[in-house]
Amino acid sequence: GAVVSQHPSRVICKSGTSVKIECRSLDFQATTMFWYRQFPKQSLMLMATSNEGSKATYEQGVEKDKFLINHASLTLSTLTVTSAHPEDSSFYICSARPSANTGELFFGEGSRLTVL
Amino acid sequence: AQSVTQLDSHVSVSEGTPVLLRCNYSSSYSPSLFWYVQHPNKGLQLLLKYTSAATLVKGINGFEAEFKKSETSFHLTKPSAHMSDAAEYFCVVTSIYNQGGKLIFGQGTELSVKP
Repeated sequence: GAVVSQHPSRVICKSGTSVKIECRSLDFQATTMFWYRQFPKQSLMLMATSNEGSKATYEQGVEKDKFLINHASLTLSTLTVTSAHPEDSSFYICSARPSANTGELFFGEGSRLTVL
Repeated sequence: AQSVTQLDSHVSVSEGTPVLLRCNYSSSYSPSLFWYVQHPNKGLQLLLKYTSAATLVKGINGFEAEFKKSETSFHLTKPSAHMSDAAEYFCVVTSIYNQGGKLIFGQGTELSVKP
């Protein structure tokens, strides 16, 4: 099956620093990638839709200047948490939709961010 | 509009007994429905999907689900639970006609399997 790689799987950073998380589709091209945030014992919350070659579309309430998304190629999207604070600590998951668009999304393994 | 409701936040079964995780959906469009499983601190893995073909869908690891339009349900079942089935399960609805196929997630059902 299609594989989505997310890196790093775990990151700890100091408050005020920025952290970049990468999402790569390893064996398919993805025109669209999605970034989710998941709090403990809760469902996934869509943060933004990332389209290759254009600006990301953010969900209501998600700060675009806080969570920078870049979808530079058909196989890579990045999420940068800028000036991280402890309340940004969370599990971030990306997913990718193949350009062939079967409707199915393939998910990365997630990235656990802890801000001290 | 689309929505999905998972009727149980937590289900506990004994190993070897059947599993039933309930999901009801609402959709103004022809829906595609999915069940995903998430193990602790992991991403999501697709168990099965319904995309307007056969209403009884078989997935991986012995799971299956039946799409019932009259009941707007897509319940997940497995005849015999294994310890390794303990995880969080998400029912998901989408449609390419709704906001470009954005996934709508249920709140999740935590499945516990007792020895």
